[in-house]
Amino acid sequence: GNSVTQMEGPVTLSEEAFLTINCTYTATGYPSLFWYVQYPGEGLQLLLKATKADDKGSNKGFEATYRKETTSFHLEKGSVQVSDSAVYFCALSDKGSGSRLTFGEGTQLTVNP
Amino acid sequence: DARVTQTPRHKVTEMGQEVTMRCQPILGHNTVFWYRQTMMQGLELLAYFRNRAPLDDSGMPKDRFSAEMPDATLATLKIQPSEPRDSAVYFCASGIRLAGRLNNEQFFGPGTRLTVL
Repeated sequence: GNSVTQMEGPVTLSEEAFLTINCTYTATGYPSLFWYVQYPGEGLQLLLKATKADDKGSNKGFEATYRKETTSFHLEKGSVQVSDSAVYFCALSDKGSGSRLTFGEGTQLTVNP
Repeated sequence: DARVTQTPRHKVTEMGQEVTMRCQPILGHNTVFWYRQTMMQGLELLAYFRNRAPLDDSGMPKDRFSAEMPDATLATLKIQPSEPRDSAVYFCASGIRLAGRLNNEQFFGPGTRLTVL
């Protein structure tokens, strides 16, 4: 079956630090990969996605590259801001799952001024 | 600005009471999901529908939970009777699934925070 593993949190950084949140996956097919972000008190929002190997998703300064050889989709940002404090979820979906998403456990990020 | 809406946003009830949560998916979306989020279990898929038909509700406790879509603009999740362990945030999400196309993005509502005393 499909599964997603994220690095354990919480992660605490100072403003302008470099961010990496690791995500690896197991899937039976060729999945699409996603990063969702959840701000306090809100639902999840799509941050970025990639649908095939070597694709790079990017949004709001965040990037993630679909690495089929290492089954990874690590999230990076060069300079985080206090407003990036949130929970980040890695997820996958493949044709066999019919729109269902398999989520990782989520990683809490706190950015201090 | 199309959004998924959920009501109520907060619900506090006593054990044994019936709870009904409502969701209005984005107009034109044909797939609706119900999730539950807790600190211990994280995000769990309870059920999902396509074109109003239930496709999978294996994540839902059958004896007390039920999910329906009376029409294309309304999805409901009911708990009867509620128990303290049902305390969680319940999210609805909607998306589009078209034949021959793969579009897996889901749009989440703000959630219903349920507390069962």
